[in-house]
Amino acid sequence: DIVMTQSPDSLAVSLGERATINCKSSQSVLYRSNNQNYLAWYQQKPGQPPKLLIYWASTRESGVPDRFSGSGSGTDFTLTISSLQAEDVAVYYCQQYYTTPYTFGQGTKLEIK
Amino acid sequence: QMQLQESGPGLVKPSETLFLTCTVSGGSISSSSFYWGWIRQPPGKGLEWVGSIYFSGTTHYNPSLKSRVTISVDTSKNQFSLKVNSVTAADTAVYYCARHRGSYRDCLDYWGQGALVTVSS
Repeated sequence: DIVMTQSPDSLAVSLGERATINCKSSQSVLYRSNNQNYLAWYQQKPGQPPKLLIYWASTRESGVPDRFSGSGSGTDFTLTISSLQAEDVAVYYCQQYYTTPYTFGQGTKLEIK
Repeated sequence: QMQLQESGPGLVKPSETLFLTCTVSGGSISSSSFYWGWIRQPPGKGLEWVGSIYFSGTTHYNPSLKSRVTISVDTSKNQFSLKVNSVTAADTAVYYCARHRGSYRDCLDYWGQGALVTVSS
């Protein structure tokens, strides 16, 4: 199985500041034939299902604010929130869909400092 | 607007069978190239992919659960279902149904609200 490891486990950032969450996969999730990274980011608020934010490592889902961005390739990926808003408090998960079993990172809890 | 809704018993006894159904509205489960999946989340823990199905019945399962899990589809009811045999307390979780954005090798863009299933005598 591909192991997804996120860092940090928790993060406290001031409103308006940048938040950065990292995700590392135990093997590459870059598919050479289409040059796509099979990596997604989700946001989960308490009592709610996960919400898709980013897919193909850097493509923002429709309706997601442009303060959310994804980057990286191969085995190292980053989710960046450029200017933290109060409604961004949540747990964030990365997921690889390169191969089954699809696996998720352990989650990063983002709070307001 | 695509919506998914899980339904089924909230309490299952150890060694018995867990059965959940996901009802899809706002689109036909068989009208396009989407796969449909089940994901679970133990209380206070992370997410685990259980398995996925295409409207034709083609399935992909997580090997960690494969021997106990069956996912099926009923296109006439626009539903797909999850069965987990021989449950233990470790199967206690919120179970989500979701749609793959495209093929089974794709992320999950629409999710149900989740159904908490507790395994306890």
